Amino acid sequence: NAGVTQTPKFQVLKTGQSMTLQCAQDMNHEYMSWYRQDPGMGLRLIHYSVGAGITDQGEVPNGYNVSRSTTEDFPLRLLSAAPSQTSVYFCASSGRREDADTQYFGPGTRLTVL
Amino acid sequence: AQSVTQLGSHVSVSEGALVLLRCNYSSSVPPYLFWYVQYPNQGLQLLLKYTTGATLVKGINGFEAEFKKSETSFHLTKPSAHMSDAAEYFCAVSPFGNEKLTFGTGTRLTIIP
Repeated sequence: NAGVTQTPKFQVLKTGQSMTLQCAQDMNHEYMSWYRQDPGMGLRLIHYSVGAGITDQGEVPNGYNVSRSTTEDFPLRLLSAAPSQTSVYFCASSGRREDADTQYFGPGTRLTVL
Repeated sequence: AQSVTQLGSHVSVSEGALVLLRCNYSSSVPPYLFWYVQYPNQGLQLLLKYTTGATLVKGINGFEAEFKKSETSFHLTKPSAHMSDAAEYFCAVSPFGNEKLTFGTGTRLTIIP
């Protein structure tokens, strides 16, 4: 198993550009989520999904869209990038959420918005 | 609503000494509690978790944590620090399983040779 994969590893955008951060898992996990990590602020939940076709907002959803058309993939879209979205983004997945199954994190995407 | 407070953004201990990283939480429902570790330029890895039952939880790499409801705490300990323990540690709380985790701001652990 490759686990949770994220692409790209690094990205530089200009203000106003759009892009999609890719996340895929090969563990047949039902639960997937996106976090952003900023210095001194820990990780904050952006969006999450409890299964294909079902998504919901987390703590900091503004400026981001998600969709979950398959179990494996959970892309994060930045509609119009802003400097405040400069951050490290992590995707995570897990199995039975009610059992608090282990969440597996991807290696992260470091995004800089100029 | 839920929140996590990690006391001490930086902690330094000597190799072989006790490691104690503090975590206090706030939750309106019985919480699920987690400790994660992050090594430089990597994602997070689960150290241990508390769901229900035994309040002393053992995790990987010799770490353990004790859930104390009366103190709303979930402190992480390891009897003897090793150089490989140098990393950033995050405490997290959830109202239901591993859904919608709220993370603390992290504690960077430095091990002094």
